Amino acid sequence: DTGVSQNPRHKITKRGQNVTFRCDPISEHNRLYWYRQTLGQGPEFLTYFQNEAQLEKSRLLSDRFSAERPKGSFSTLEIQRTEQGDSAMYLCASSLAPVGAGELFFGEGSRLTVL
Amino acid sequence: GQQVMQIPQYQHVQEGEDFTTYCNSSTTLSNIQWYKQRPGGHPVFLIQLVKSGEVKKQKRLTFQFGEAKKNSSLHITATQTTDVGTYFCAGNSNYQLIWGAGTKLIIKP
Repeated sequence: DTGVSQNPRHKITKRGQNVTFRCDPISEHNRLYWYRQTLGQGPEFLTYFQNEAQLEKSRLLSDRFSAERPKGSFSTLEIQRTEQGDSAMYLCASSLAPVGAGELFFGEGSRLTVL
Repeated sequence: GQQVMQIPQYQHVQEGEDFTTYCNSSTTLSNIQWYKQRPGGHPVFLIQLVKSGEVKKQKRLTFQFGEAKKNSSLHITATQTTDVGTYFCAGNSNYQLIWGAGTKLIIKP
């Protein structure tokens, strides 16, 4: 049984470059979430998919961030024109239950460092 | 906006001492979840509480959900080195999961 898979695990980039992260959820999970976590903080919600539909997006999310889940399976999170403040761990999670109603299964995360 | 306050931010304990973390929500919650994140790891689900006044136990861990469904606590009895990590609560309010900032459990050398 494979859990939630994320890659790359680490990404170092220069300010202004674009980066893309991929998440492969647990296969039967139709709900997929992206979170951002900085040191000493809890996960910060970014966006949520049910199947291929992006149902919710944080109002705090810059226009530079975009996420897709084209076939309702894997998802990508792209950050355009990265800034130093984007440095964080990007966590993907999947679930079967409706939002907030059941266990989230997290991946190992993709750590972004913007120089 | 909706918030879940979690205290303390850190707790240093001697191995064998108890540990407690508290969460308070500004709104009534449908349910609350608890997660553990080991250093360098990702959050791992521990438990979900749904009913008012609910108490659940997992070995040395005791979880409580307040009568008003606005607060919750996690108590660990006789901490061990394997308990080290950050414990997060996450409250469900209007189908949004609102996370506390976490309490880091540190075992004194």
